[in-house]
Amino acid sequence: DAGVTQSPTHLIKTRGQQVTLRCSPKSGHDTVSWYQQALGQGPQFIFQYYEEEERQRGNFPDRFSGHQFPNYSSELNVNALLLGDSALYLCASSGGAGPTYEQYFGPGTRLTVT
Amino acid sequence: QKEVEQNSGPLSVPEGAIASLNCTYSDRVSQSFFWYRQYSGKSPELIMSIYSNGDKEDGRFTAQLNKASQYVSLLIRDSQPSDSATYLCAGPSGGSYIPTFGRGTSLIVHP
Repeated sequence: DAGVTQSPTHLIKTRGQQVTLRCSPKSGHDTVSWYQQALGQGPQFIFQYYEEEERQRGNFPDRFSGHQFPNYSSELNVNALLLGDSALYLCASSGGAGPTYEQYFGPGTRLTVT
Repeated sequence: QKEVEQNSGPLSVPEGAIASLNCTYSDRVSQSFFWYRQYSGKSPELIMSIYSNGDKEDGRFTAQLNKASQYVSLLIRDSQPSDSATYLCAGPSGGSYIPTFGRGTSLIVHP
């Protein structure tokens, strides 16, 4: 049973650049959520995709955007990178969009902005 | 006030002891809570979910939910050095079903 996968594992970008991160959900899951985790903090919710639509969004600027494809995989795009965007970006998948669905995290993408 | 609060620790316990990790929340309508374990440099791993008042046991782990007092806890029996990690509590808040994470409690189990 394939778990959640993310690519790339690590990424180094320069301030002002744009980045795209990718996620494939766990087999049988159709909902993907993205989180940002700074060092020493819990994951912060960015947005959730279900049925190829953004269903919920956290307190992140419009520089953060996403997409979900028909095969349920998802992308996170960040434009005009800032130094403060350096973090671990986590993708989590679940079997639906609702309060009782358990979320399973991928290994994450470590983004460093210089 | 943060919606999900955890003591950052570290909590240090000897091998074989019971580790007790606690979490409080502010949203009275929250119905589901999750505990994750995160090793340094790794992503969070789901340990347990709990939706009803009372206890839920899974192996060495017991989750406890008290909705009246708005806290949820995780007990780890027979703690092992391999249990040393950060434990994250998560629950919906602010009218959204999306889990809000606490900042995590660092657990150290020493031999």
